[in-house]
Amino acid sequence: KNQVEQSPQSLIILEGKNCTLQCNYTVSPFSNLRWYKQDTGRGPVSLTIMTFSENTKSNGRYTATLDADTKQSSLHITASQLSDSASYICVVTADNYGQNFVFGPGTRLSVLP
Amino acid sequence: NAGVTQTPKFQVLKTGQSMTLQCAQDMNHNSMYWYRQDPGMGLRLIYYSASEGTTDKGEVPNGYNVSRLNKREFSLRLESAAPSQTSVYFCASSEAEYNYGYTFGSGTRLTVV
Repeated sequence: KNQVEQSPQSLIILEGKNCTLQCNYTVSPFSNLRWYKQDTGRGPVSLTIMTFSENTKSNGRYTATLDADTKQSSLHITASQLSDSASYICVVTADNYGQNFVFGPGTRLSVLP
Repeated sequence: NAGVTQTPKFQVLKTGQSMTLQCAQDMNHNSMYWYRQDPGMGLRLIYYSASEGTTDKGEVPNGYNVSRLNKREFSLRLESAAPSQTSVYFCASSEAEYNYGYTFGSGTRLTVV
């Protein structure tokens, strides 16, 4: 069964600190992996997308990595800001037609002043 | 602003009542989706429409029906609401190409009592 797991479930850090969120997946076939940010009461918004051949991709203070061999991805947030408080969701596309998306449960990040 | 618009934002139903959740997008996307999000779980696909005139079941379709009214609008209907359908519902749209991400609506919080 296709699954996406994320850790930790929740995380609290101080403003200005760095943090890393983890995503492990057992999805086949693998097409791509996305990280989304979901603010409270809002829909998810895409941060990065990575295909099989990509190891690292950055979007401002967000850097995603992908190890397709171990089926792991991470999202590193640098110099956190209060506005980074949100849920971060890892999503793996499990086909080549863009119709089979497998969502992780998300990591809830709280950034405190 | 361009995007996905969902109505209503909040709704409380009694068990057995029916209602329709509305979704419209103005990005000329071909594909539209309905997801539900429950605490501690990833978003789960209820139904999707790959293009105007087509609809298909997702992971959790029981108790729901959908209508792709035109290219812009995709509605979700609960014929006889049950407490198990208490959830946050998200509509999303995308291009059919696999490497295009979703654009999500802001969600409908539904409580069935």
